[in-house]
Amino acid sequence: GEDVEQSLFLSVREGDSSVINCTYTDSSSTYLYWYKQEPGAGLQLLTYIFSNMDMKQDQRLTVLLNKKDKHLSLRIADTQTGDSAIYFCAEVGSSNTGKLIFGQGTTLQVKP
Amino acid sequence: KAGVTQTPRYLIKTRGQQVTLSCSPISGHRSVSWYQQTPGQGLQFLFEYFSETQRNKGNFPGRFSGRQFSNSRSEMNVSTLELGDSALYLCASRGGFDEAFFGQGTRLTVV
Repeated sequence: GEDVEQSLFLSVREGDSSVINCTYTDSSSTYLYWYKQEPGAGLQLLTYIFSNMDMKQDQRLTVLLNKKDKHLSLRIADTQTGDSAIYFCAEVGSSNTGKLIFGQGTTLQVKP
Repeated sequence: KAGVTQTPRYLIKTRGQQVTLSCSPISGHRSVSWYQQTPGQGLQFLFEYFSETQRNKGNFPGRFSGRQFSNSRSEMNVSTLELGDSALYLCASRGGFDEAFFGQGTRLTVV
């Protein structure tokens, strides 16, 4: 079946690195995504990775994909207070249409 | 390039009424998907439209329906509203199988 799991909460100090983890079950997933949601807002696409890649870096963001363990992580370097938000990982469902399967979201708290 | 536009942003309806939400995707994008976000259930897929055809449907009752127009704009309709339909409704716009961009959502409150 299709399922995505995330830890619910992460607290870090400003300037530290944050690592948000996600596991998924659908081995046929082609794309995996990270979204950010601030209070009262929609979902902001941060980055995504294609399933034939192991790593993708985009400025302060690094995505690591371990297909064998079906594990995805998002590392935010030099975390800032403006990074405080809920982070969702998502996979494209096995039907490979527009259906995204989301995790429960990880609340990132950044302390000054 | 304009982003995904959802209207209205906020809506208050009474139980038993019906509601129509609108989503205008990014220009050139033909796929529009709808999601319901609630604190208890998280983000759940409602349906996807591609070139005016429903391509995929989530596990929601028939009270939830949608359509897509020739200009790719999409509407979703919820009939006979229940208190449990109170949620943030988000639409996503895709041009291909990679990036999926979301709108700001419509906050529906059913009283």
